[in-house]
Amino acid sequence: AQRVTQPEKLLSVFKGAPVELKCNYSYSGSPELFWYVQYSRQRLQLLLRHISRESIKGFTADLNKGETSFHLKKPFAQEEDSAMYYCALNIPYGNNRLAFGKGNQVVVIP
Amino acid sequence: SAVISQKPSRDICQRGTSLTIQCQVDSQVTMMFWYRQQPGQSLTLIATANQGSEATYESGFVIDKFPISRPNLTFSTLTVSNMSPEDSSIYLCSVQALARPQTQYFGPGTRLLVL
Repeated sequence: AQRVTQPEKLLSVFKGAPVELKCNYSYSGSPELFWYVQYSRQRLQLLLRHISRESIKGFTADLNKGETSFHLKKPFAQEEDSAMYYCALNIPYGNNRLAFGKGNQVVVIP
Repeated sequence: SAVISQKPSRDICQRGTSLTIQCQVDSQVTMMFWYRQQPGQSLTLIATANQGSEATYESGFVIDKFPISRPNLTFSTLTVSNMSPEDSSIYLCSVQALARPQTQYFGPGTRLLVL
């Protein structure tokens, strides 16, 4: 079955420190992975897609098929990075639905 | 990106009643989805709203409890029927735009409390 695992629920980091959010997936096909972010009082929004290989707001994520991982990283955390982060796997057959991990609450301490 | 609105933004309801949530998009979209986010939990897909036909429900969700309509490409409704306190949750509409089929955009959510 398709599954996304985000092991740490809460992550506290100091401003300027590196942050890494772990995401592992279980999927037999070729995965399409995403990171979504939800800032306080805002709607859920796309942060980045693995297929784009982009860096958004200083965040990057590399798909590692050998380790079935898609960890999100940023070298220097900022206070505005405090938010809820969700890793998601697109399941393309049928209806292109997303399977979400449980999410990581990131708190950046000034 | 698609702009999505939901009504109502929040509601408090009595058990046994039903609530219909509306989702409106500002452009034509291919897929529309309804998710539930229970307190402290992740998002769970309820169903895919299909235009002109019955919705496709995920395991654990049934049409009698969560009837869905999608009369056109920009509008959908989700009804939470015969509510109980366990239905207290945030209900989210999401869409896939024609231009970016692998990206989902989310509405602001409807916060429901059932007493």
